Amino acid sequence: EVQLVQSGAEVKKPGESLKISCQGSGYPFTFYWIAWVRQMPGKGLEWMGIIYPGDSQTTYSPSFQGQVTLSVDRSISTAFLQWTSLKASDTAIYYCARGGSVASGGNWFDPWGQGTLVTVSS
Amino acid sequence: AIQLTQSPSSLSASVGDRVTITCRASQDIASSLAWYQQKPGKAPNLLIYDASNLEYGVPSRFSGSGSGTDFTLTISSLQPEDFATYYCQQFNSFPITFGQGTRLDIK
Repeated sequence: EVQLVQSGAEVKKPGESLKISCQGSGYPFTFYWIAWVRQMPGKGLEWMGIIYPGDSQTTYSPSFQGQVTLSVDRSISTAFLQWTSLKASDTAIYYCARGGSVASGGNWFDPWGQGTLVTVSS
Repeated sequence: AIQLTQSPSSLSASVGDRVTITCRASQDIASSLAWYQQKPGKAPNLLIYDASNLEYGVPSRFSGSGSGTDFTLTISSLQPEDFATYYCQQFNSFPITFGQGTRLDIK
């Protein structure tokens, strides 16, 4: 079964750093893009960026460029989303999702991780 | 960035109804469109990719059509489990973008 499992909920203070994870299983991790998507409370889906685990090629949404960092650790089939200085407005659910492969071409997202709730509050 | 506009933003319907949601792109995206269903407290679930291809395991009452700038998601006969929020997504070019969502409620 193809699966993405994300790390647990986090409660942080403004200015703190954070790194959340997304571990893939059931497929060749390095061959498929991994995307990150934000969903603020009661709002829609926002694409943040995407990383190709095979060579760590990364593309960010202009809205998130410079605000977050995507990375991978191929040895443990895990992708990461990182902040160096959180803000209250970063409070949201963050989803990882598997995108396309070189073979499939298209970056539709399937499956999705279960989501990580990040709460930033003083 | 390519903008996706869904209509309607919300919709009330009854079990057994035929429902159509539209997604309009601000520029030509060929067939590079996907549809997702999201239920409260859950991650989105892929329904349709490449505008009209039904994802494996998704009921056949769901169908997608369109190309270029105009796309539709149709549910042929609403079931109780279909009441959810639906999103379109384009992957023709970066940045990838989503529509604002269509909330489907029980009438």
